[in-house]
Amino acid sequence: DGGITQSPKYLFRKEGQNVTLSCEQNLNHDAMYWYRQDPGQGLRLIYYSQIVNDFQKGDIAEGYSVSREKKESFPLTVTSAQKNPTAFYLCASSIRSGAPLHFGNGTRLTVT
Amino acid sequence: DAKTTQPNSMESNEEEPVHLPCNHSTISGTDYIHWYRQLPSQGPEYVIHGLTSNVNNRMASLAIAEDRKSSTLILHRATLRDAAVYYCILRLGGNTSGTYKYIFGTGTRLKVLA
Repeated sequence: DGGITQSPKYLFRKEGQNVTLSCEQNLNHDAMYWYRQDPGQGLRLIYYSQIVNDFQKGDIAEGYSVSREKKESFPLTVTSAQKNPTAFYLCASSIRSGAPLHFGNGTRLTVT
Repeated sequence: DAKTTQPNSMESNEEEPVHLPCNHSTISGTDYIHWYRQLPSQGPEYVIHGLTSNVNNRMASLAIAEDRKSSTLILHRATLRDAAVYYCILRLGGNTSGTYKYIFGTGTRLKVLA
């Protein structure tokens, strides 16, 4: 079945360490996105990519970095510069920018 | 800035219709209205979207007010599996680079009573 796979489901890190969250899709979608969700809040856009080798900052990109070397993959690195990294991270894709989003099941990151 | 306003929570009895309201008074002419739902510990799932006319699909119906400042998601017969947080989202019209932006609110938590 086609879909989006995020791994791992739960991730624990010590403060000051960089950590990379994986996102893979086999839907042949051009656009991919990373969102952050905090308790009681809506989703906020971190980064998005409309095509391979291209990506743009979203509303809260500070302290994060991404790459899009392959169509299927859009990993997110949470750097030590991110002041409050503990959150639920959601990856999404769409067949093209503006089309309905398909989400993965998220990675819950805890930094202590 | 564009935004949506929804009630924090609603309850419904099983097998009864549910009407989930959303206000989006700052909507622009090219902004689409999307609805997604999110089950616990999962990613959001697309439900339905529309621009001006009412829309129906196998999951739900979307009723859009004539002035487009509000909309209602209709679940025709709620089941226990419909218990989720429902997000009313504005997809803002594309900019010159063809990029679209989704504005998520805080959603309505729907509780379905057996």
